[in-house]
Amino acid sequence: DTGVSQNPRHKITKRGQNVTFRCDPISEHNRLYWYRQTLGQGPEFLTYFQNEAQLEKSRLLSDRFSAERPKGSFSTLEIQRTEQGDSAMYLCASSLAGYSGQPQHFGDGTRLSIL
Amino acid sequence: GQQVMQIPQYQHVQEGEDFTTYCNSSTTLSNIQWYKQRPGGHPVFLIQLVKSGEVKKQKRLTFQFGEAKKNSSLHITATQTTDVGTYFCAGRGDSNYQLIWGAGTKLIIKP
Repeated sequence: DTGVSQNPRHKITKRGQNVTFRCDPISEHNRLYWYRQTLGQGPEFLTYFQNEAQLEKSRLLSDRFSAERPKGSFSTLEIQRTEQGDSAMYLCASSLAGYSGQPQHFGDGTRLSIL
Repeated sequence: GQQVMQIPQYQHVQEGEDFTTYCNSSTTLSNIQWYKQRPGGHPVFLIQLVKSGEVKKQKRLTFQFGEAKKNSSLHITATQTTDVGTYFCAGRGDSNYQLIWGAGTKLIIKP
């Protein structure tokens, strides 16, 4: 078990540029989540996959954000036309499926800084 | 929409004192999970509570789920420096997969 892996660890970019982050979940986990976390706040849910299907997406999520999990393994999160307010830590988590909920295992995150 | 409020935002304690954080949901939860995030780290799962009135213990940590399944608490007895971090509750409603997270309570040990 190598844990959840995210890259890059840090991304600095100019406002208006597109960025893409990658998440490799724990291999046997079929659920994958993306969160955004800002200083002093809890993780904010962005979207959720079960295998390759995107089953839930936050209503607060701008259409500049898109996520994919094409083969049900790794996932990518893309932000188009970045804005200052996108600066945050982007966390990925994975879990097993289960009716009553399973623990989520988090990666170390990608810290995005918009200049 | 569903919200989970967590208080206090910070708690300063002397080493050896107790610590408590409380979560309240605007709606009934199917379950609630607790996570710990060390400074510079990512959230790490501690425990899940599912049943009304459930109480679970992990060494010096005691977790409770309210009878109405709308509130929960975490109590740490005799804090140690290794307990430093931010403790989050995260609740799941009946109708969706997502966890709704509290803002966390940061445990700070006074020097």
